[in-house]
Amino acid sequence: AQTVTQSQPEMSVQEAETVTLSCTYDTSESDYYLFWYKQPPSRQMILVIRQEAYKQQNATENRFSVNFQKAAKSFSLKISDSQLGDAAMYFCAYRSNNNDMRFGAGTRLTVKP
Amino acid sequence: NAGVMQNPRHLVRRRGQEARLRCSPMKGHSHVYWYRQLPEEGLKFMVYLQKENIIDESGMPKERFSAEFPKEGPSILRIQQVVRGDSAAYFCASSSRVGSWETQYFGPGTRLLVL
Repeated sequence: AQTVTQSQPEMSVQEAETVTLSCTYDTSESDYYLFWYKQPPSRQMILVIRQEAYKQQNATENRFSVNFQKAAKSFSLKISDSQLGDAAMYFCAYRSNNNDMRFGAGTRLTVKP
Repeated sequence: NAGVMQNPRHLVRRRGQEARLRCSPMKGHSHVYWYRQLPEEGLKFMVYLQKENIIDESGMPKERFSAEFPKEGPSILRIQQVVRGDSAAYFCASSSRVGSWETQYFGPGTRLLVL
């Protein structure tokens, strides 16, 4: 079974600085998708970034980038130039080729002004 | 401690039929959330329930959709007279605490296909 682990229940970052959120997963498959979702207090889940496992290049979306290490089964999210609006819960998720999806427990990110 | 359970995992319905999706929260959790994920989109919040109460249904379509979380048994998301646009993955999450930052634990989802 695929599992997703986020080992940091809470993280804190100073405004304008950089923070990295960790995610590891367990799978025997070679083809899959990885996601980071942001969930503000409104509970709306916002897709931040996605990565296809067959792509070696790390995905980047503006201030958000990932460090995808397929062999290590690691998928960390880096947030550069952190802003107050980045404060939220962040969920890492894994989706297999047959659309089976698993979520991590989440990391609560606090941004200090 | 079993995680959040959802069934069925896959559901096929013809237009006009009803779809019932079930979610059993983690043991000890009394808060349930339903999300919908349309193809190639992120999750979208639909409804938040506590036992026997709907707390927030601001994300749920006004017609054909309803949700309940009875005192006993799983939470049910019900879609009446399904249309093709209802085809999506529906995820349930549960939590044990009240508040904006409670950790939600997700189920594996139910994939609804409307023919």
